[in-house]
Amino acid sequence: DTGVSQDPRHKITKRGQNVTFRCDPISEHNRLYWYRQTLGQGPEFLTYFQNEAQLEKSRLLSDRFSAERPKGSFSTLEIQRTEQGDSAMYLCASSVRDYGNTIYFGEGSWLTVV
Amino acid sequence: TQLLEQSPQFLSIQEGENLTVYCNSSSVFSSLQWYRQEPGEGPVLLVTVVTGGEVKKLKRLTFQFGDARKDSSLHITAAQPGDTGLYLCAGGPMGGTASKLTFGTGTRLQVTL
Repeated sequence: DTGVSQDPRHKITKRGQNVTFRCDPISEHNRLYWYRQTLGQGPEFLTYFQNEAQLEKSRLLSDRFSAERPKGSFSTLEIQRTEQGDSAMYLCASSVRDYGNTIYFGEGSWLTVV
Repeated sequence: TQLLEQSPQFLSIQEGENLTVYCNSSSVFSSLQWYRQEPGEGPVLLVTVVTGGEVKKLKRLTFQFGDARKDSSLHITAAQPGDTGLYLCAGGPMGGTASKLTFGTGTRLQVTL
């Protein structure tokens, strides 16, 4: 399978704990994105990388959130001191730079904070 | 802030019927994508349209990008139960990060036998 892969697919955590999600993009794609989707809503942009550089962050990405893409390949999204409002699906996507604005999503990582 | 409004929000139809989903905005977009999403899964790209007035067909699905690049429509002919899902439109901004998409809230389609 050469699509975008995310791990874990599901995570249940207690409020206050830290969680980390991993994303492996399509191999030739140099752009990587993180989106968040809550029930009944469309995905909302969080941040994106071009190679290893994080070029833009949404205001949705509070100080408790950090994303990295150290070698320009896989990326991690860490949420510290989780809150119940963080419960959502975290979607990773990748693209070839500026190719028709087309991005390809992974299957998502569901987070439930209890 | 760019907003995309989709209508209807929910649609329940019988197999064989036709339907149209609309995606509207007051903003101009450089491109418009349509995705379908199954419960618990990520969105799957159906089509990208980039030229005002462009029409693309994908089997029983017809996509149109408005002349002014502010709106789009998805028409499904002879719907089948396999078409059931959440349909999302997403716009790429003019002059901004090319792939930073703004998503609509989605249209949930259910096709019954």
